[in-house]
Amino acid sequence: KNEVEQSPQNLTAQEGEFITINCSYSVGISALHWLQQHPGGGIVSLFMLSSGKKKHGRLIATINIQEKHSSLHITASHPRDSAVYICAVWAHTDKLIFGTGTRLQVFP
Amino acid sequence: DAGVTQSPTHLIKTRGQQVTLRCSPKSGHDTVSWYQQALGQGPQFIFQYYEEEERQRGNFPDRFSGHQFPNYSSELNVNALLLGDSALYLCASISGTSSYNEQFFGPGTRLTVL
Repeated sequence: KNEVEQSPQNLTAQEGEFITINCSYSVGISALHWLQQHPGGGIVSLFMLSSGKKKHGRLIATINIQEKHSSLHITASHPRDSAVYICAVWAHTDKLIFGTGTRLQVFP
Repeated sequence: DAGVTQSPTHLIKTRGQQVTLRCSPKSGHDTVSWYQQALGQGPQFIFQYYEEEERQRGNFPDRFSGHQFPNYSSELNVNALLLGDSALYLCASISGTSSYNEQFFGPGTRLTVL
């Protein structure tokens, strides 16, 4: 079993829909990242959080440390949101452990 | 302010050859981490360099080695290439080693081993 699990693996949505991507982890962590990877490979950090909730534009990330779970929400989704979204955790071993990603496609 | 840069962007090698990938960290960052991302998978941690020393290492064989220079730039070397080494190699930089500091990723080097 992977130390960081994401669901769903693939997600298709119509423009304007509310999207949720989930991340569960089994190790002790210092912080959790949500990353966005576009075709071609470049990774952009969306959020880094260790508690509570953060919001940036249409993106919201939440984390529940006790339940070892985080969610990334996208409100009013747009085709330009189409990308792979990756959850990664800073384990107490000081290593960044990645999930396998959620591939999101938003259609007009 | 330039972000993290990597070179080359693409590389094709044959089995048994050796390859060197390069990374320049974001200005002000002194720690560089390398990751391997196979197609359809999440990145896997290879190693991290800080103050020109390998600070942490993931589960990769000794064929994978690295170096950090006094200007904080870094190289990843892979010897005796295997077909399975074909992947996107990502470099990320951070200021210091605290897990509370944000990592910035480069665009990656796509390595194809034939």
